[in-house]
Amino acid sequence: GAGVSQSPSNKVTEKGKDVELRCDPISGHTALYWYRQSLGQGLEFLIYFQGNSAPDKSGLPSDRFSAERTGGSVSTLTIQRTQQEDSAVYLCASSPIALAKNIQYFGAGTRLSVL
Amino acid sequence: SQELEQSPQSLIVQEGKNLTINCTSSKTLYGLYWYKQKYGEGLIFLMMLQKGGEEKSHEKITAKLDEKKQQSSLHITASQPSHAGIYLCGADYHAGNMLTFGGGTRLMVKP
Repeated sequence: GAGVSQSPSNKVTEKGKDVELRCDPISGHTALYWYRQSLGQGLEFLIYFQGNSAPDKSGLPSDRFSAERTGGSVSTLTIQRTQQEDSAVYLCASSPIALAKNIQYFGAGTRLSVL
Repeated sequence: SQELEQSPQSLIVQEGKNLTINCTSSKTLYGLYWYKQKYGEGLIFLMMLQKGGEEKSHEKITAKLDEKKQQSSLHITASQPSHAGIYLCGADYHAGNMLTFGGGTRLMVKP
């Protein structure tokens, strides 16, 4: 498949546990984005990676959230000490470097449920 | 996001009818992106608009961006059940950075 791949597709965890969500972007795409989609807040930006530049973390809601991107490809979003309000669908998107046409291609998301 | 408002929030139309979804920004856009989402799936890219007054069409869907680059509309002609889903507009305010999304419009098409 040539699309953005996310895993797991569903994750149920207990409050207080840590979770890791994975994103495999489209091969060759240098930009990678994480968004969160929840009922009350809609689709919110979390973090953005572009090549070797420092990531834009301005959307991360708290210091329990972190993300890394290894080798400019796969990214992992980590949520520590999960809370019930973290329950949402976490979407990853990737984009080629052409800034003038920032078409972001989305994965199917990871549905996180914190009990 | 309060920067980007979508209307209506939901819409039910009879198959074959036309419909319009609006997306209004509080500030000038660099680019405006329309996506469609079905339950349990990611966002599917529909169209991108960048120039004031630009209009693009794909099959029965037409999107327009006004001259001031603050308002966009998505028009579906002769709607079909396959058009059902959530339509999201995303604004690029910073030329290649993250998108700011509207609240979405949930469309249902009754056969």
